[in-house]
Amino acid sequence: QVQLQESGPGLVKPSQTLSLTCSVSGVSFSSDSYYWSWIRQPAGKGLEWIGRIYVGGGTNYNPSLESRVTLSIDTSKNQFSLSLNSVTAADTAVYYCARVEEQVLSAFDFWGPGTLVTVSA
Amino acid sequence: ETVLTQSPAILSLSPGERATLSCRASQSVDGYLAWYQQKPGQAPRLLIYDTSNRATGIPARFSGSGSGTDFTLTITSLAPEDFAVYYCQQRANWPPSYSFGQGTKLEIK
Repeated sequence: QVQLQESGPGLVKPSQTLSLTCSVSGVSFSSDSYYWSWIRQPAGKGLEWIGRIYVGGGTNYNPSLESRVTLSIDTSKNQFSLSLNSVTAADTAVYYCARVEEQVLSAFDFWGPGTLVTVSA
Repeated sequence: ETVLTQSPAILSLSPGERATLSCRASQSVDGYLAWYQQKPGQAPRLLIYDTSNRATGIPARFSGSGSGTDFTLTITSLAPEDFAVYYCQQRANWPPSYSFGQGTKLEIK
């Protein structure tokens, strides 16, 4: 069974960098059928796609966040990571990592449980 | 950027009734339209992909339809566990990106 799990600090100070890692198990992480993505959700609000990364390292980002976001991948550890710099209170949200299956679904078929990140001094 | 608008924002129905949720796109999404269910404190769960295909393990009472810019999620005979928030999602081809609707909350009447 495919499993994803987010990890990282739950509290980040304004202007600093938010860093999260997603650990993946139960699937061939190097398969070219999948992209690996980050999505966030402020409390009581909807879902916002942040970006995706391919096993070869190629990335695509939400234009509204592109100037502050970097995704990276470590296939040896079955992990991919999110870095969001210059954070403000508006970046407070539950952050999810998810798998995108593009060959058939073009949708997010497996998700991590999410991790709450609060931006506060 | 394609904007997805869901309606209604809140839908109040009773168990056993039929639910019809709408998702309208600001431009054609070429069929790459998916639906998710989210319950409080949980990650979203994929229900429908490519407009009308049920994801693995999704009951047959869930169905999707539509084309171009207008899409519908239908839940026939609502079960108690179906009351949740539902999101539609599209994928743009170029540049590759995804966006979600703002959600429809399906609540017990």
